[in-house]
Amino acid sequence: DIQMTQSPSSLSASVGDRVTITCQASQDIDKYLNWYQQRPGKAPKLLIYDASNLETGVPSRFSGSGSGTDFTFTISSLQPGDFATYYCQQYADVPQYSFGQGTKLYI
Amino acid sequence: EVHLVESGGGLVQPGGSLRLSCAASGFTFSGYVMHWVRQAPGKGLEYVSAISSNGGSTYYGNSVKGRFIISRDNSKNTLYLQMGSLRAEDMALYYCARDRLGNNYGYPDYWGQGTLVTVSS
Repeated sequence: DIQMTQSPSSLSASVGDRVTITCQASQDIDKYLNWYQQRPGKAPKLLIYDASNLETGVPSRFSGSGSGTDFTFTISSLQPGDFATYYCQQYADVPQYSFGQGTKLYI
Repeated sequence: EVHLVESGGGLVQPGGSLRLSCAASGFTFSGYVMHWVRQAPGKGLEYVSAISSNGGSTYYGNSVKGRFIISRDNSKNTLYLQMGSLRAEDMALYYCARDRLGNNYGYPDYWGQGTLVTVSS
């Protein structure tokens, strides 16, 4: 099974900050990585697919990059609604999906 | 608009069974792979199961293999998860989700709001 290692597990930041989260796969997953946002009490929401593609309707301050085993998720200028938990997910080995352990972004 | 509504959660004793349902609307249900993903209280997301669009192919995460059964009724636009031999570690919010790629296994895009399963004596 492919293991996803996400870091950091939590991150303190302020409105307007630029933040970066990383995700590392235990083996090459090409571009098959997504990023989800989960606000408290809500279902996950797809933000980025195929490592770097922005989901329709998602603000451009969100971005993703990487391929192979190392991936990065960036919020260029934090807004109040961005304080949430973010998960990476690989789908290179479908249907043996796996998620990272999550990064909680808080003020 | 895609709409997924889970139901069937509740309190069950260890070793017991429960069947979850997910009613789908706003898209052609029979044309999409569907998923179940769970989240234990205060924990991260864990992949549970997937089923092909016609129900002919299923997948289970290692932690539920042999105890859970995923199925679907395309005539009723409904996804199911039959859970058996429940353990304390199965206690979680269970989400159903639609696949992005339709008939092929891709990844979840739209998610329901979840149904809570509590396992306790």
